[in-house]
Amino acid sequence: GEDVEQSLFLSVREGDSSVINCTYTDSSSTYLYWYKQEPGAGLQLLTYIFSNMDMKQDQRLTVLLNKKDKHLSLRIADTQTGDSAIYFCAERGGGSYIPTFGRGTSLIVHP
Amino acid sequence: GAGVSQSPSNKVTEKGKDVELRCDPISGHTALYWYRQSLGQGLEFLIYFQGNSAPDKSGLPSDRFSAERTGGSVSTLTIQRTQQEDSAVYLCASSFPTSGGSYEQYFGPGTRLTVT
Repeated sequence: GEDVEQSLFLSVREGDSSVINCTYTDSSSTYLYWYKQEPGAGLQLLTYIFSNMDMKQDQRLTVLLNKKDKHLSLRIADTQTGDSAIYFCAERGGGSYIPTFGRGTSLIVHP
Repeated sequence: GAGVSQSPSNKVTEKGKDVELRCDPISGHTALYWYRQSLGQGLEFLIYFQGNSAPDKSGLPSDRFSAERTGGSVSTLTIQRTQQEDSAVYLCASSFPTSGGSYEQYFGPGTRLTVT
């Protein structure tokens, strides 16, 4: 089946930029999503990008998509301690209503 | 309500007992999903409901798992004869058709199931 891969951990200093990377295998991916999960909570949609775009910016968040390499990244500018959470990448092909999720990247922000 | 709600938030049960987990989606959302999240793992898809169509049950791990959605709204996930490996957080999500087809999902807080 299709696969989504993420590194499991990322540690950054408060105020620095964080870059979380994701690779996927589905060449028919239409939408790619980033979700955030705080402890004890469900997933919260942060942003998504359509496959015909290569960049999307929303305040401190920048999503970059390299469709040729099937690589997606999420950049968080000026990372704060409140950004500490697990970040999930997900992709959905045009013919499916069921996204495939990565295992999540645990972002740790330290002072 | 404003978001997806799930109940109970925590459930401890003995091995071999049956459990029922409930999900209330956002009003008007036609699609409903159940996922399982085990410690340190990603989201494992279980089942998908869309309107009045037959559900996609392709992710259910065994015949001990079943789910129903009544009236196109509330859904119940039932696990029969629970096993210790069923211990996980069960997440529900709902979504609605959008003009661009993005189908972003809105998640509930989850039910943490512990089988002793």
